[in-house]
Amino acid sequence: DQQVKQNSPSLSVQEGRISILNCDYTNSMFDYFLWYKKYPAEGPTFLISISSIKDKNEDGRFTVFLNKSAKHLSLHIVPSQPGDSAVYFCAASEWTGNQFYFGTGTSLTVIP
Amino acid sequence: GAGVSQSPRYKVAKRGQDVALRCDPISGHVSLFWYQQALGQGPEFLTYFQNEAQLDKSGLPSDRFFAERPEGSVSTLKIQRTQQEDSAVYLCASSLRVQGAASDYGYTFGSGTRLTVV
Repeated sequence: DQQVKQNSPSLSVQEGRISILNCDYTNSMFDYFLWYKKYPAEGPTFLISISSIKDKNEDGRFTVFLNKSAKHLSLHIVPSQPGDSAVYFCAASEWTGNQFYFGTGTSLTVIP
Repeated sequence: GAGVSQSPRYKVAKRGQDVALRCDPISGHVSLFWYQQALGQGPEFLTYFQNEAQLDKSGLPSDRFFAERPEGSVSTLKIQRTQQEDSAVYLCASSLRVQGAASDYGYTFGSGTRLTVV
């Protein structure tokens, strides 16, 4: 049973515009969330995290928003660049948990 | 090292063969994880080590899967009598973060070992 869902398998965005990637989770015990980026033939690269005590975390062009009541988080990339084209995974965990639960990923294409 | 290193990058095994996959985590990283990623899916948890202690092996799919980290650094994932359903990318990740600790470290993944069982 998928506890973390990324319902959009793919997304295309023009260079310079905003990319919004969405993630939903079902387990209300999750309180720590990560976003990863993955290029082909490479392992996932950590992007940004957020814990449930916050509703927003920023790091440069990347911002993650957390809506605990809706069990929803999103990753905003502004402005989008061609080098951002990759598969993005969200992952969730309990703060004291040993494992992360990953979504199935969203493939982002940024069009020059 | 600078990153998490996994070897081999690719492994083709005949059904029934035993395989061993190696992970060299970032030096000093306490936590080490193994994940399995099937085609088109997200990574799925296999097991977790804190130093040399295997604290969670709830994700190992069968008793054919065994992992160890005897000195708290390098880890090996062993799969005995491989089956076709074992074909996947096996990812190792390490972190300074200790589970349950109030820290915000990310996890660093290796590039994975792609196992194909024929």
